[in-house]
Formats: sequence, structure tokens, C-alpha cells
Amino acid sequence: EDQVTQSPEALRLQEGESSSLNCSYTVSGLRGLFWYRQDPGKGPEFLFTLYSAGEEKEKERLKATLTKKESFLHITAPKPEDSATYLCAGHGSGNTGKLIFGQGTTLQVKP
Amino acid sequence: DGGITQSPKYLFRKEGQNVTLSCEQNLNHDAMYWYRQDPGQGLRLIYYSQIVNDFQKGDIAEGYSVSREKKESFPLTVTSAQKNPTAFYLCASSVGGNKNIQYFGAGTRLSVL
Repeated sequence: EDQVTQSPEALRLQEGESSSLNCSYTVSGLRGLFWYRQDPGKGPEFLFTLYSAGEEKEKERLKATLTKKESFLHITAPKPEDSATYLCAGHGSGNTGKLIFGQGTTLQVKP
Repeated sequence: DGGITQSPKYLFRKEGQNVTLSCEQNLNHDAMYWYRQDPGQGLRLIYYSQIVNDFQKGDIAEGYSVSREKKESFPLTVTSAQKNPTAFYLCASSVGGNKNIQYFGAGTRLSVL
């Protein structure tokens, strides 16, 4: 069964303290690994898609990387406005377009 | 502005009542999706539609129904058969195909009175 697992469930950082969020996946025929940001009470906002092992993408203080078994979201020198829940999702083989979501990592950055 | 509009933002359901959540998109996307989000759990797929007049059940379709009569609209009905409807409901759309980047609406929070 396809599965996506994120760790840790919650992460507290001081402003400027860099860290990484992990997304482990077992998705048959992975066609894409997606990262989203979700603020409380709002819909997820698309951040990145990674399509093959070794691929990296960056946006401001965020960098996403992909291996054959996991993906990392690296946060460099975070600011309080980076506080949110970060969701990881895998797109497997088949034509359904279905994304398999992890349970998310809730990040809190304190000033 | 292009985007996905969900309404209402908050909805309350009485015992035995059916309620309908609206989802409209002006992105000209072919595919649309409904997810349910519960605290501490990932998003779970309820129904999806890849083309007008066609839709398929997702992982948790029981107690829900949908229609896709227009490309831009994909309403979700939570029926009285859904015994635990309290959740945050998210609608998404995508171009479809291999890239499949899904864009989400702002969500509807449904509670039971």
C-alpha cells in the first residue's frame, strides 16, 4: 500500500535556527513528490514538485530535495512568518491523479 | 484573479440533513478533487473528476455524493449517511496528466449541531 510519513510531527525553532523536515515515502511508480504549506484555517499552498531522485528546488529560505526513499525540506535561517504546517504528498502510477498525503509537520518559529 | 472558490467558509449540519459544499474554479482545469482533513491526519480523497460528466470514488466516498455538470464546478453533498461529518473540506483542481500540480481552495469547515 502506498504511504507517505512525515517527521517530526511538530518542530519548534528559534528565529535563524536552520533545520530540516523529513518525508519518507513508499509510493509505487512515483511520478512526483509535492510540498505544500498550510496556514491555520486555510487551504494548502503549493511550494514545490520534485520528479526524480537528486532533484533540488529552492524558494527563498526553503530548499526541497528528493532521494529514492525520502524527501527533505530544508529551512535556512527561518523567520516567524515561516510558521505553518508543511505537507508532503506523493503522486503514484495510474491515471487517477490521486495524491497521497503525509500527516504534516507543524513548524513554529519563535522570534 | 484565477483561483478556486469554496463556499461557505463555515457550515453547520443538523441531524438527518444533507448539506452541499460549493467549489468553483476559473483556472480552466480539467481535473477536480475533494479532500477531507481531520486533525493529526493527512488529507484523504473523497471523490475526484478528471472530465465533465465523469467522476470516481476516492478512499472515503461513503456518505458523500458529487456531480460534475460543468467544467468549472464540482459540488460535494454530505448526506445524512455520513455519521461523522465534522471536518475541514478542501477542493482542489489540476490540469491533469503527469504533472498534476493540484491547487487548493480556502476550505469549508463543517460542524454538526
